[in-house]
Amino acid sequence: KQEVTQIPAALSVPEGENLVLNCSFTDSAIYNLQWFRQDPGKGLTSLLLIQSSQREQTSGRLNASLDKSSGRSTLYIAASQPGDSATYLCAVPQGGSEKLVFGKGTKLTVNP
Amino acid sequence: EAQVTQNPRYLITVTGKKLTVTCSQNMNHEYMSWYRQDPGLGLRQIYYSMNVEVTDKGDVPEGYKVSRKEKRNFPLILESPSPNQTSLYFCASSRLAGVPSQYFGPGTRLLVL
Repeated sequence: KQEVTQIPAALSVPEGENLVLNCSFTDSAIYNLQWFRQDPGKGLTSLLLIQSSQREQTSGRLNASLDKSSGRSTLYIAASQPGDSATYLCAVPQGGSEKLVFGKGTKLTVNP
Repeated sequence: EAQVTQNPRYLITVTGKKLTVTCSQNMNHEYMSWYRQDPGLGLRQIYYSMNVEVTDKGDVPEGYKVSRKEKRNFPLILESPSPNQTSLYFCASSRLAGVPSQYFGPGTRLLVL
């Protein structure tokens, strides 16, 4: 059964800092990995989806990498801003299904 | 605008009073699912549907029902709600072909007294 772990559970940084969020998964037979952002009391917004054939994806100041063999993904946020404060979740499909297994998230606070 | 909508957004009810949370998507997605999110437990799948009239249980289906009579709609039914179903509920949808990025609704916060 797929399990997803995110470390750290919470992170507080000053504005402008570059930071890395980590995600690990137990079953490396995945066909994609997705990073989401969740604002308090709001739904999930998809940030990046990395296909299993890719090693990384970039969107603006965000860069996500995937290393299937080691069961790890990282989300790199460059020049962090207070507006980046949110909980970041990673998710992978369970087996060959569409069902997503989520990590419990990293709560990021960027201080002005 | 591509979106997943849920109604209601907030609901307070009492034990045993049947309720339905609606979910609708305008992207012609085949796949739809319901998740609940609880502190310390994260997001867990309740039910999912691969297409019209095709539904199946997720990890925590007890106490819930779903139906998929139309492609765009996937309501979640609580026949006899109990306090342990107090949670934040999300509906999601995606295509089954191509890049299956999942889109989530804004969430429904349910309190069962």
